[in-house]
Amino acid sequence: GAVVSQHPSWVICKSGTSVKIECRSLDFQATTMFWYRQFPKQSLMLMATSNEGSKATYEQGVEKDKFLINHASLTLSTLTVTSAHPEDSSFYICSARERDYYNEQFFGPGTRLTVL
Amino acid sequence: AQSVAQPEDQVNVAEGNPLTVKCTYSVSGNPYLFWYVQYPNRGLQFLLKYITGDNLVKGSYGFEAEFNKSQTSFHLKKPSALVSDSALYFCAVSEGQGAQKLVFGQGTRLTINP
Repeated sequence: GAVVSQHPSWVICKSGTSVKIECRSLDFQATTMFWYRQFPKQSLMLMATSNEGSKATYEQGVEKDKFLINHASLTLSTLTVTSAHPEDSSFYICSARERDYYNEQFFGPGTRLTVL
Repeated sequence: AQSVAQPEDQVNVAEGNPLTVKCTYSVSGNPYLFWYVQYPNRGLQFLLKYITGDNLVKGSYGFEAEFNKSQTSFHLKKPSALVSDSALYFCAVSEGQGAQKLVFGQGTRLTINP
């Protein structure tokens, strides 16, 4: 149980285009989902926290207009990187917290974004 | 604000020997502590957590960690290392009730030599 999937697993896009990444909780209801980014050989940095049905809370320094987060249902959150640039190239990881088991976050496998 | 330090960027251990990956933390309240492992181009896999109770926590794949409040440490240990344990290990802390905002250490690359 407690499986989180991400789609796509990797994506290559041209500079200026937008990319959408999906995060799904497959066998539980996720009231809260988290989005992280990880640069090569670095740790995970929390970008934003999204609660189902409400606006995401962004960490300091993260542009909310560039990284659009939608958490429309208890099993799906999406991260859209708008007008992507090469510096947005990174590994994006989502995690989800279950409604009734809030002491743990379950992580997705990650999405590798490369912007040319 | 909470913080986590993993003082070693890399740890090398011979197969069959015990291993330790160090982690210290700083929080103003009660800590929720976690260890995760990451294989190349993969997400994080949960190993173990400390919420409350016994200071020695046993987790997946034979790993365990000891919570030491006086030293604010939560070192990861395994009695006998396997080559397949080679990976990137992250310690994380969440302050207060529930796995809210997780703050991660910088990671320790563990290499087990055959």
